[in-house]
Amino acid sequence: DIVMTQTPLSSPVTLGQPASISCRSSESLVHSNGNTYLSWLQQRPGQPPRLLIYKISNRFSGVPDRFSGSGAGTDFTLHISRVEAEDVGVYYCMQATQFPRSFGQGTKLEIK
Amino acid sequence: EVQLLESGGGLVRPGGSLRLSCAASGFNFNTDAMSWVRQAPGKGLEWVSTISYNGDGTHYADSVKGRFTISRDNSMNTLYLQMNSLRAEDSAIYYCAREFDFDYWGQGTLVTVSS
Repeated sequence: DIVMTQTPLSSPVTLGQPASISCRSSESLVHSNGNTYLSWLQQRPGQPPRLLIYKISNRFSGVPDRFSGSGAGTDFTLHISRVEAEDVGVYYCMQATQFPRSFGQGTKLEIK
Repeated sequence: EVQLLESGGGLVRPGGSLRLSCAASGFNFNTDAMSWVRQAPGKGLEWVSTISYNGDGTHYADSVKGRFTISRDNSMNTLYLQMNSLRAEDSAIYYCAREFDFDYWGQGTLVTVSS
């Protein structure tokens, strides 16, 4: 089974400053079809998860361009260029390359 | 507009059963694999099960294998999760989501297993 490990688990950030979250998978996430099914999700308090980034670096419809994703193979990063108050919540990486699907532990983003 | 609407959650005793539904609209449901994901109170996300676009392929987390059954009715644009032999540790909000990018999620339905 693929284990997804996120760091840090908590990230206090000053408004307007950048933030980044790392995600490492225990195996390569490159699918046999050539795609890498690594997504980043945001979950605001009391809300369902929301897709931010799919296939490593593709921003989903309606997601602000301050969010971006990078990485390859087993190491991935979510970047937020300038944190805003509405970004508070928990961020998860997840893989859908293999079964069982798996999620990172979640990173709680909070404002200092 | 894509919508996923879960229903069927509730309070059930240990050992009991529930059937969750996820009504889909706004996309070609019969061309997409679908998944169930759950979240216990205060915890992270846990994948539960996935079904292929036509229902021929299914996958389950070890924690639910043999107790839960995923199915779909493409004529009704609806995804199901039959949950049997429920345990306290199955208590969670259950979400349906579209594979492979998990781009759309429902609002979730709460399942509480308690005596």
